[in-house]
Amino acid sequence: QTVVTQEPSLTVSPGGTVTLTCASSTGAVTAAYYPNWFQQKPGQAPRALIYSTSNKHSWTPARFSGSLLGGKAALTLSGVQPEDEAEYYCLIYYGGALVFGTGTKVTVL
Amino acid sequence: QITLKESGPTLVKPTQTLTLTCTFSGFSFSTSGVGVGWIRQPPGKALEWLALTYWDDDKRYSPSLKSRLTITKDTSKNQVVLKMTNMDPVDTATYYCAHVIGGRPFEYWGQGTLVTVSS
Repeated sequence: QTVVTQEPSLTVSPGGTVTLTCASSTGAVTAAYYPNWFQQKPGQAPRALIYSTSNKHSWTPARFSGSLLGGKAALTLSGVQPEDEAEYYCLIYYGGALVFGTGTKVTVL
Repeated sequence: QITLKESGPTLVKPTQTLTLTCTFSGFSFSTSGVGVGWIRQPPGKALEWLALTYWDDDKRYSPSLKSRLTITKDTSKNQVVLKMTNMDPVDTATYYCAHVIGGRPFEYWGQGTLVTVSS
């Protein structure tokens, strides 16, 4: 069974920068896995942020960016705002099957 | 404007079959590349993808749950139905349906519906 692993938690100061990563148990994550990123706040449905590695949805703030980093998918938050405190999930496409990551809780402190 | 809404029972007994319906608006299965997926989230835990159905009737299932899941679509009603057999308390979760288009999976989500499995 494929496992997609993320950092359990990260803390960042307001205005700072933080990078979340998404690793696959099958090996390096590449663009062919079409990594996606979602944000979820307590009591809310997830919200799509990034698709196909680095593409933003029309509502995605400019401070969010997606990339590939050292064999992993990555989500970077630059100029973090208090409202960015949330759980973040990556999603990896494995040729017809989809697997969500374990999630990263980002705290803005 | 794309909207989705899940409906179904809030409580099911162990061994029963769960039937959930996703009713959507703002898009159609007559459009190439369109799909609807189901995702669940146990309380305090991570998201888990369950199943997907596409405009061309292609269906995909989570390998770990494939034997228990059936996804169907009713194009005329703009609905997608998910059936999960042999429910267990560990299946207690919020179940979401979400829109898929081309390379943008789960761009729009329903509000979710909490299903509790208990005798």
